[in-house]
Amino acid sequence: DAGITQSPRYKITETGRQVTLMCHQTWSHSYMFWYRQDLGHGLRLIYYSAAADITDKGEVPDGYVVSRSKTENFPLTLESATRSQTSVYFCASKEGWTEAFFGQGTRLTVV
Amino acid sequence: ILNVEQSPQSLHVQEGDSTNFTCSFPSSNFYALHWYRWETAKSPEALFVMTLNGDEKKKGRISATLNTKEGYSYLYIKGSQPEDSATYLCAFDNTGNQFYFGTGTSLTVIP
Repeated sequence: DAGITQSPRYKITETGRQVTLMCHQTWSHSYMFWYRQDLGHGLRLIYYSAAADITDKGEVPDGYVVSRSKTENFPLTLESATRSQTSVYFCASKEGWTEAFFGQGTRLTVV
Repeated sequence: ILNVEQSPQSLHVQEGDSTNFTCSFPSSNFYALHWYRWETAKSPEALFVMTLNGDEKKKGRISATLNTKEGYSYLYIKGSQPEDSATYLCAFDNTGNQFYFGTGTSLTVIP
């Protein structure tokens, strides 16, 4: 199916564990983004990527790692999860200045 | 980090009322301004992407204007309906890859 998908949709993990959130898009869009949704802050940019093997930090990158070995995939890894990383995470992709398309979101709870 | 501000933070209007929101963004290094509609428990969906100073876009009862020289955009909803209830986000795109969202305006339309 064409589109952008995130997995898992829901995840509960323990403090200190490593967890990876997956994002896959089928359009071959150059740009991909990871955001977290926080009350009072809206969507905050964690990391973005302009192409395969090109990534850069956004507004709140601490505690997160990304990679982009293939154009269609942009995984986000929490190296050692903390309770403050409990959030809903959205992945998005776009091409140039055109509209961005969002995944369904991953609700992550760190206990 | 770019400062993208939206006002008001929330709005309650009666069905049939017309309303408008503001998005303020840096006036330098402008690339595009996006508006998104975000319903609870769903992903943001694009309304408009605006690139030129003076741009006006319209989709049904919703329209938007853009002033890149002074760094603001207005979103208008004519004759609000309950189904318009959502959070409206703007996003400032300064290079085509950095893509920052405002905190949104939450609209509730009362039947």
